[in-house]
Amino acid sequence: DAGVIQSPRHEVTEMGQEVTLRCKPISGHNSLFWYRQTMMRGLELLIYFNNNVPIDDSGMPEDRFSAKMPNASFSTLKIQPSEPRDSAVYFCASRENPGGPQHFGDGTRLSIL
Amino acid sequence: GQQVMQIPQYQHVQEGEDFTTYCNSSTTLSNIQWYKQRPGGHPVFLIQLVKSGEVKKQKRLTFQFGEAKKNSSLHITATQTTDVGTYFCAAPTGGGNKLTFGTGTQLKVEL
Repeated sequence: DAGVIQSPRHEVTEMGQEVTLRCKPISGHNSLFWYRQTMMRGLELLIYFNNNVPIDDSGMPEDRFSAKMPNASFSTLKIQPSEPRDSAVYFCASRENPGGPQHFGDGTRLSIL
Repeated sequence: GQQVMQIPQYQHVQEGEDFTTYCNSSTTLSNIQWYKQRPGGHPVFLIQLVKSGEVKKQKRLTFQFGEAKKNSSLHITATQTTDVGTYFCAAPTGGGNKLTFGTGTQLKVEL
C-alpha cells in the first residue's frame, strides 16, 4: 500500500515567494495533519482536518500560512509570502481512526533564502 | 497547554549497551504513543500504550506506561547501530483528536 505522499521533497526559494506543499493521505484515512519540524521548536502541529474539514488551526503561525483540503485525497499547505524563518521540514500525516497511530510522509525540506 | 517532556535530550552509547528514554506529562493521559525517526527520515509509529502499568515488548524494545498514566519509558536492550535515531513519545490532546509530541531523545550508537 502506498503511504502518505508529499511533494516536493525539497524546495529552495527566495523570501517573498509563494510556496505550496502538497500531500496525498493514505486512502481511507479520515484525518490529516500538517506538522513543522525544526531543531529549535521540535515537531509542531500546524493544522489538522477531519473528513476534509479544518478542525484546529491554532498552530498555524501567521496569516501567511494557509491550508486546504478540497477532497479526501489531497491537501495543500501554502506560505505567502515566505520568510527565511519558515525554513523547516514540513510533514503531512494521516490517521484512520481517532486516537490511532499517525502515518507520516517523507516530508518537504523547505529552505527560504 | 499540555506539555510532554522527555529526558535525556541526547544519549550516546556503545553498541551492546542498554538505553532508556523517559517521557513525563503534566496531566494524566488516556494513552501514549511512541515513534522513531531515523536521521533524515520521518516519524514512524512504534506502539501505543493504554492501560495503567502496561508493559509491551517488541524484540529488544520494552515500553512501559506508569501506574498514574503520567509517565512512560522506552528501554532498548543491547543497542545496535540500527537503533540510531530520535525517539518521541506523543500524548493525545484536544479531546484525543490530535497528538502533542515530546521533545524527543536522540540516540547515537557507536561501534
